[in-house]
Amino acid sequence: QSVLTQPPSASGTPGQRVTISCSGSRSNIGSNTVNWYQQLPGAAPKLLIYSSNQRPSGVPDRFSGSKSGTSASLAISGLQSEDEADYYCASWDDSLNGQVFGTGTTVTVL
Amino acid sequence: EVQLEQSGVEVKKPGESLQISCKVSGYSFTSHWIAWVRQRPGKGLEWMGSIYPGDSDTKNSPSFQGQVTMSVDTSISTAYLQWNSLKPSDTAMYYCARRAGYTTTWSYFDHWGQGTVVTVSS
Repeated sequence: QSVLTQPPSASGTPGQRVTISCSGSRSNIGSNTVNWYQQLPGAAPKLLIYSSNQRPSGVPDRFSGSKSGTSASLAISGLQSEDEADYYCASWDDSLNGQVFGTGTTVTVL
Repeated sequence: EVQLEQSGVEVKKPGESLQISCKVSGYSFTSHWIAWVRQRPGKGLEWMGSIYPGDSDTKNSPSFQGQVTMSVDTSISTAYLQWNSLKPSDTAMYYCARRAGYTTTWSYFDHWGQGTVVTVSS
């Protein structure tokens, strides 16, 4: 059972902005940075955002991350069909002494 | 180019043992932690634990403690995940991933293997 809660699904039309939330607690998001991973259908996860708001080389600037208190968000602006995927947040949890992932959000482009 | 190449599909019976592998290339194997992540069919990602090839130090998720063993062979830049007695509930995709970042609490998985499918069924 994940300690980071995400909405099961999110959707938008091409060009729209979609936001995914990730709710945690003081022992994880409240104390540590947040990372986001994108998992395309049938593929391995890929790092999308690290350290709450940093993009690895090669990740389009349409993707952005933010963190406030015990919650974090991933925003996808200018939504494209290739953005259809599952998205997971992740953080270290000081109480569990381990890495925790969010429940995952499936993004659909209408 | 950093690459993590995992071993192939496994089909096993309950009670059997198994070892899957993750061979890395493109960077110094002993300088980064390697994590293992489980994904059951249709489900989310679960961190199982991590191992530091430099000294074989491990960090285990409490959920997987005692269920699996992580190890490395630095001579061939390969990490392993091992089960002594598989259960049907071990059926899943297993990923290895390289951990980047300065500390355990400030870290992320920047490169992933393609995954190994493990099916356990009688």
